[in-house]
Amino acid sequence: EIVMTQSPATLSVSPGERATLSCRASQSVSSNLAWYQQKPGQAPRLLIYGASTRATGIPARFSGSGSGTEFTLTISSLQSEDFAVYYCQQYNNWPRWTFGQGTKVEIK
Amino acid sequence: EVQLVESGGGLVQPGGSLRLSCAASGFTFSSYEMNWVRQAPGKGLEWVSYISSSGSTIYYADSVKGRFTISRDNAKNSLYLQMNSLRAEDTAVYYCATVVTLSYYFDYWGQGTLVTVSS
Repeated sequence: EIVMTQSPATLSVSPGERATLSCRASQSVSSNLAWYQQKPGQAPRLLIYGASTRATGIPARFSGSGSGTEFTLTISSLQSEDFAVYYCQQYNNWPRWTFGQGTKVEIK
Repeated sequence: EVQLVESGGGLVQPGGSLRLSCAASGFTFSSYEMNWVRQAPGKGLEWVSYISSSGSTIYYADSVKGRFTISRDNAKNSLYLQMNSLRAEDTAVYYCATVVTLSYYFDYWGQGTLVTVSS
């Protein structure tokens, strides 16, 4: 099983500031990495796939980078609606999909 | 508009059974591979089961293999999860999600249905 490790567990950021979230895979997943956003009581929403491609309707302030085992999700200027939990997911090893444990982005 | 609506969750005793449903609309359900993903209270996401568009290929997480059965009815635009021999650790919100063909990330998710296993 590929283990996905996200850091930090919680990120405190002021509105308008940049947020940088990290995701590490226990072995290479190439660029087969997705990011999801989840707000309380809601389903996850796809943000990024292919490590760096924004899903339909996702604002340009969200960007993804990385390949192999190290990945980053950057939110360039946090808006109030961006405070949520973010999960990375590898799909290189499908059907053994695995998710990271999540990073909570909270208001500082 | 793509819609996935789960139902069938509830409170069940350990060892009991439950059948979840996912009603799909707004897309050609029969062309899409589907998954069940669960989330225990306050925890992260865990993939549970996959089914191909025709239903001919099925996979399960080790944690549910032998106890859960995924199926679909393309004529009814519906996905199912039969859960038997339920355990306390199966307590979670269960989501159905579409799989992007040939890419295998999940693009659309339902709102989830809560399953609570407790005596």
